[in-house]
Amino acid sequence: GENVEQHPSTLSVQEGDSAVIKCTYSDSASNYFPWYKQELGKGPQLIIDIRSNVGEKKDQRIAVTLNKTAKHFSLHITETQPEDSAVYFCAASGKWSGYSTLTFGKGTMLLVSP
Amino acid sequence: DGGITQSPKYLFRKEGQNVTLSCEQNLNHDAMYWYRQDPGQGLRLIYYSQIVNDFQKGDIAEGYSVSREKKESFPLTVTSAQKNPTAFYLCASSRGERGYTFGSGTRLTVV
Repeated sequence: GENVEQHPSTLSVQEGDSAVIKCTYSDSASNYFPWYKQELGKGPQLIIDIRSNVGEKKDQRIAVTLNKTAKHFSLHITETQPEDSAVYFCAASGKWSGYSTLTFGKGTMLLVSP
Repeated sequence: DGGITQSPKYLFRKEGQNVTLSCEQNLNHDAMYWYRQDPGQGLRLIYYSQIVNDFQKGDIAEGYSVSREKKESFPLTVTSAQKNPTAFYLCASSRGERGYTFGSGTRLTVV
């Protein structure tokens, strides 16, 4: 089955800096890669996703890049703000049709200091 | 507003008891999922269901049971066979070419 590794487990940055979280996956058939943000005591929320036919996707201060050859994908947050502090999870799924299961990384706790 | 509702938010279980966690969605999603979250372990799949009256075991199904009698509902029972049930439980749903929508979770504690 799919295995997703996520690094780092914790990341501390100053407000205004950039943050990068990296994930690798094992199954070359995986073609859907979402990122979730989880605030304390709440469920994860989808913040951005990318499919294997795209190399990069941006949404305001958030971007995701995908390298299919190396089987890794990354989340980039620019101009970080204290409200970006949360746990971020990457995930991967093969043959995504809405009915496939996602395999999650173990999460990265991001702390943005004012 | 459409969404996915989990209840209760906090649940306490005595040794040897079965408890049931509720998950209801009004998003008209076909697929529903249960994940368990432990500190430093990420999200691990317990059970999932793609259609009514059908469900499959995930990676850590032992000690858990589910039912899917209605499209909107996917309750999870934590049985006495689950040796370490204290965790944060997350329910999710999905349809089509889009990621999961998660509920706000239930925190289960054994007392």
